Amino acid sequence: KAGVTQTPRYLIKTRGQQVTLSCSPISGHRSVSWYQQTPGQGLQFLFEYFSETQRNKGNFPGRFSGRQFSNSRSEMNVSTLELGDSALYLCASSLADITEAFFGQGTRLTVV
Amino acid sequence: DAKTTQPPSMDCAEGRAANLPCNHSTISGNEYVYWYRQIHSQGPQYIIHGLKNNETNEMASLIITEDRKSSTLILPHATLRDTAVYYCIVRSPTNTGNQFYFGTGTSLTVIP
Repeated sequence: KAGVTQTPRYLIKTRGQQVTLSCSPISGHRSVSWYQQTPGQGLQFLFEYFSETQRNKGNFPGRFSGRQFSNSRSEMNVSTLELGDSALYLCASSLADITEAFFGQGTRLTVV
Repeated sequence: DAKTTQPPSMDCAEGRAANLPCNHSTISGNEYVYWYRQIHSQGPQYIIHGLKNNETNEMASLIITEDRKSSTLILPHATLRDTAVYYCIVRSPTNTGNQFYFGTGTSLTVIP
């Protein structure tokens, strides 16, 4: 079956712009989580959505937001981009609680 | 979730078993041990997870000590493609949601 799909794979944006990233989970998975990975901070949890509701949020500023649609697809948005937002953004989907999560290949965002 | 401690790096000869240790001395009775790996710039890949009993799948074996304070991931016949960063994660089922907190992991290098 198809895995987790993230689009786009690569993105270059300018400081101050906003960006929207997309994640399509594995069919039937209702939980979608987002992570940011940078060389300095490693993999950090951003937020998790389940059945269109945000269940958990990591320690990130309000510029980072997300949503989940009725078909479980999710988007995350970063407004007023800063150079430090340059990172690999990863999405993971899970079937249910405490089950394994399956990750997409990520979106590499570069802010210039 | 209990904190984990892993060696920062390890080498293993190709074809030999790779044994990756993880210390989780503060683990609670209902917390699971998960292992993921990340090959450079790709999304983390689920390997295996367990609670108390040893587990085996097509990728690896997970050995959990009787007191559950540590575990070992075993890749039975390491290949060059197993070179990656391996993360040991402890998760509590009492946490709502599916967030994973990744530490710094062990960078495994398989040597020809």
